[in-house]
Parts: sequence; C-alpha cells; structure tokens
Amino acid sequence: NAGVIQTPRHKVTGKGQEATLWCEPISGHSAVFWYRQTIVQGLEFLTYFRNQAPIDDSGMPKERFSAQMPNQSHSTLKIQSTQPQDSAVYLCASSLETLYFGSGTRLTVL
Amino acid sequence: GQQVQQSPASLVLQEGENAELQCNFSTSLNSMQWFYQRPGGSLVSLFYNPSGTKHSGRLTSTTVIKERRSSLHISSSQTTDSGTYLCALERPGGYKVVFGSGTRLLVSP
Repeated sequence: NAGVIQTPRHKVTGKGQEATLWCEPISGHSAVFWYRQTIVQGLEFLTYFRNQAPIDDSGMPKERFSAQMPNQSHSTLKIQSTQPQDSAVYLCASSLETLYFGSGTRLTVL
Repeated sequence: GQQVQQSPASLVLQEGENAELQCNFSTSLNSMQWFYQRPGGSLVSLFYNPSGTKHSGRLTSTTVIKERRSSLHISSSQTTDSGTYLCALERPGGYKVVFGSGTRLLVSP
C-alpha cells in the first residue's frame, strides 16, 4: 500500500496561470478530502467527496477553484488564474475511518 | 465559532518531561483523530479514538464524549517528539473533518 499519492510534489506558476493538482487515494477508501495549509491560516478544509460524489465544497474559493473525482482512483484540484495568495501546501487525504494524508503539493505562485 | 480548540498553542519541554495536550470541541462528534506533523512534513495519524483510552508506546489518547474533550499524553518526551500535534473531529452524518489549530511542541535536550 503506497498510501495517498499526490503529484506533483512542487509546482511553481506565474500569476494568472492555471494549476492542476492530482491525488490518488488509497484503494478502497470511500472518502477523499482536500485541504490547504499555510503558516498563517493553518489547515483549511477545501472540499470533500464520498464515493466519488461531491459532498461539501464550502471551503473552496468559488470563482477559481474546482475539484473533480471522475473515478475511484483519482481526484484533481484545479486552480484557474492563480494568485500569489494561493501559494500553500495542498493536502489530499482519504479515509474509511482513519484519515490518511498524502505528502502534499507545494504550490508557489510568483 | 470555532468547533475545535486546542491548548496549549505551544509547549516547551526538557527531554524526559511529560506533556498533556488538550482538544475541546463544541459539537457532537463521530470520531476524533490525533495527528503529528514534523516541520515541512505531512500529517501522520497517531490515534483514531472516538471514545475511551488508547495507548501506543509513550503516547496515550483519551476521549471523553460527555465532557467534549480529547487529550494526548506524551510520557518521557524525546527531542524527536518535537513538531506540531493536531486533533481533528468528524461530525456525525459524514460531515467534513475539522481540525484544531495545533499545539507546537519543542523538546530540548
């Protein structure tokens, strides 16, 4: 079991560019979560899927952020027109009961 | 208001001392988890503990639902215990998992 896999580990974009982050949850896990973490804000909930269906996206900035889970084996978080304030570590987690986190994608927007 | 509150925000110990970290919650819960995060690292699950007491090596987690609190006890602390400890609450009905703001622990030799 490789755990939750996130790619890329690091991504640098210019202001206004698009960023797509990938997450492969642990096989068999029914829930997939996206969080982002910064020193200032700490760990912020973004969105959550259960059995591939979006359940709660209350943490997502509405205009530029979107998340999909087209099949059981991966989820994507897309940020359009990235801004410097989007710079953060984006963490994906999956669970049946216990929550398991990936290593995260560090996004830097210049 | 904040659903999950952790205390203390930071803690400095001498190696060998014990630590008690607290997590208080203002809502009903389905589960409580404790995580450890090294600076620059990802979150590692320490305990999944919806109620009662669980042990793992030098770590003990106790969740008392009626009192709406969970604690993490670290005995005989070591320098390698330094990092941030976070508690996370899952509300009933499959709601999102809400994290506390963390306790930053520094254990000096």
